Amino acid sequence: KAGVTQTPRYLIKTRGQQVTLSCSPISGHRSVSWYQQTPGQGLQFLFEYFSETQRNKGNFPGRFSGRQFSNSRSEMNVSTLELGDSALYLCASKIQGKRTTEAFFGQGTRLTVV
Amino acid sequence: AQTVTQSQPEMSVQEAETVTLSCTYDTSESDYYLFWYKQPPSRQMILVIRQEAYKQQNATENRFSVNFQKAAKSFSLKISDSQLGDAAMYFCAHDSNYQLIWGAGTKLIIKP
Repeated sequence: KAGVTQTPRYLIKTRGQQVTLSCSPISGHRSVSWYQQTPGQGLQFLFEYFSETQRNKGNFPGRFSGRQFSNSRSEMNVSTLELGDSALYLCASKIQGKRTTEAFFGQGTRLTVV
Repeated sequence: AQTVTQSQPEMSVQEAETVTLSCTYDTSESDYYLFWYKQPPSRQMILVIRQEAYKQQNATENRFSVNFQKAAKSFSLKISDSQLGDAAMYFCAHDSNYQLIWGAGTKLIIKP
């Protein structure tokens, strides 16, 4: 059974550009969450989607957005990149998004903004 | 605000010995879950153990067990018979409103 797949694994972008990260959840999983991990701020929640609906959003500026498709794959977009957006972006999937189910994580996308 | 605190940035333990990682949390909810995740150098988060708040019994998974003190809002992880493969960052997390709230992490070093 394939795990959570995040693409690309590494990305280097220039300030002011935009970037799109992709997450393919485990087959059958309908909930996808995104987290940003930095040395200074630790792990912070970005957003969660279930059946194409955003159920919760973290405290990030509007430059951060996301969506989920009918096949449960999710994308997150960051526009007008800033140096501080350099981070590891982690995606997690759950079968139904309920508390009792385990969240499975991808290996992350390492974004570097120069 | 719901918070998770890990006060030990780094811990080291001799191989085969036992180590305990600390975690405290704050929540206004009565029904919730607590987790310990491991993040090895590969960066992929791996669930170590999960505790349901309404269960009095402490969760156990092989060499990993927790000491859950609900009134004190404490959730420590005990690793017995430490192995070299246990070396990683360990994160304590609390679930709330479809998200995980994370502690800052504890780096666990295993001395051979």
